[in-house]
Amino acid sequence: NAGVTQTPKFQVLKTGQSMTLQCAQDMNHNSMYWYRQDPGMGLRLIYYSASEGTTDKGEVPNGYNVSRLNKREFSLRLESAAPSQTSVYFCASRPFSGGATDTQYFGPGTRLTVL
Amino acid sequence: GNSVTQMEGPVTLSEEAFLTINCTYTATGYPSLFWYVQYPGEGLQLLLKATKADDKGSNKGFEATYRKETTSFHLEKGSVQVSDSVVYFCALSATLYFGTGTSLTVIP
Repeated sequence: NAGVTQTPKFQVLKTGQSMTLQCAQDMNHNSMYWYRQDPGMGLRLIYYSASEGTTDKGEVPNGYNVSRLNKREFSLRLESAAPSQTSVYFCASRPFSGGATDTQYFGPGTRLTVL
Repeated sequence: GNSVTQMEGPVTLSEEAFLTINCTYTATGYPSLFWYVQYPGEGLQLLLKATKADDKGSNKGFEATYRKETTSFHLEKGSVQVSDSVVYFCALSATLYFGTGTSLTVIP
């Protein structure tokens, strides 16, 4: 049971390049989330998927797109990277979207630098 | 709207000192409240949680009580160790919002 896995672990891009961050979970969770973590800002929600087939914007969605490929996988795409998107990106999952008591499980993160 | 306000860091304590990290929230309804920890280079891990008013979450010597009257969920530990030197995040379940994190350093 690997939990939540993310690839790649590190990435350096030039301004204007595109890339996709991959996330997969093997816990049969319904809900999946993408956050970014910046110094002094905590975690901010980019997009989430309450269940397979649905996606919704979070607090900071501009410049990103997501795809819930199936129940296991939730990818985050940067179409035209900008230096402001330099951050650490975390994927998370939890069992049910409406479960107020549910714990989130986090991946190890992707450290992205945009030059 | 919903929000979490967490004590600013960094916090530095001597080993065996008492720890309090303040967390207050604004929310509609009755959210669950969480404390997560983050080890260097890793994602967040659950430390403890409380799902209703007056509940006390506890784990590894840490405790936090869900206080609806003061809208607070302060994290406490009676005697900190060097191994407690990580970053702590308070979170609301309803909105999946996290506090800004408090970095703790415990000096031997």
